[in-house]
Amino acid sequence: NAGVTQTPKFQVLKTGQSMTLQCAQDMNHEYMSWYRQDPGMGLRLIHYSVGAGITDQGEVPNGYNVSRSTTEDFPLRLLSAAPSQTSVYFCASSYSTSGSYNEQFFGPGTRLTVL
Amino acid sequence: KNEVEQSPQNLTAQEGEFITINCSYSVGISALHWLQQHPGGGIVSLFMLSSGKKKHGRLIATINIQEKHSSLHITASHPRDSAVYICAVREETSGSRLTFGEGTQLTVNP
Repeated sequence: NAGVTQTPKFQVLKTGQSMTLQCAQDMNHEYMSWYRQDPGMGLRLIHYSVGAGITDQGEVPNGYNVSRSTTEDFPLRLLSAAPSQTSVYFCASSYSTSGSYNEQFFGPGTRLTVL
Repeated sequence: KNEVEQSPQNLTAQEGEFITINCSYSVGISALHWLQQHPGGGIVSLFMLSSGKKKHGRLIATINIQEKHSSLHITASHPRDSAVYICAVREETSGSRLTFGEGTQLTVNP
């Protein structure tokens, strides 16, 4: 199993550009999420999904869109990049057992710089 | 005040020392996670616990639900343990969502 994969690893954007960060997992996990990690702050949840066709907002959703058309893929779209979106982005997935969620598996991260 | 507080923020130890990292939280939880983030940036899950104690190799995690407190212990520390250790909680009412502490930067010198 490849686990959770993210592309690209690095990206530089200009203010106002749009792009999509890709995330895929091959473990048939129903739960997937996107986090951003900024210096001096804990990981913060952007959007999450508990299954194909179901998405919801996290703590910091503004400026980002997601969709979940398949169990495997959970892309994160930046609509109009801003310098405040410079961050490291992590995708994670998890599965539930008897209604309780288990450990999360993280992708390697995408380092995004917005100029 | 953050819902999840870790202490210390930074910790430097000599190889072989016993290390303790603390995590306090202010909400009712269904589970607590300890994660490790290596200098290269990758994040791996170490433990998930809702009561008592878990051990994996030289790592031990404990939780006291009544006191809303958890500790991560590393015995016989080694330079390869140098990493950021992150505590995260799943609130009782949040379903699948996790709330993260800021992390503890551990450096183990040879």
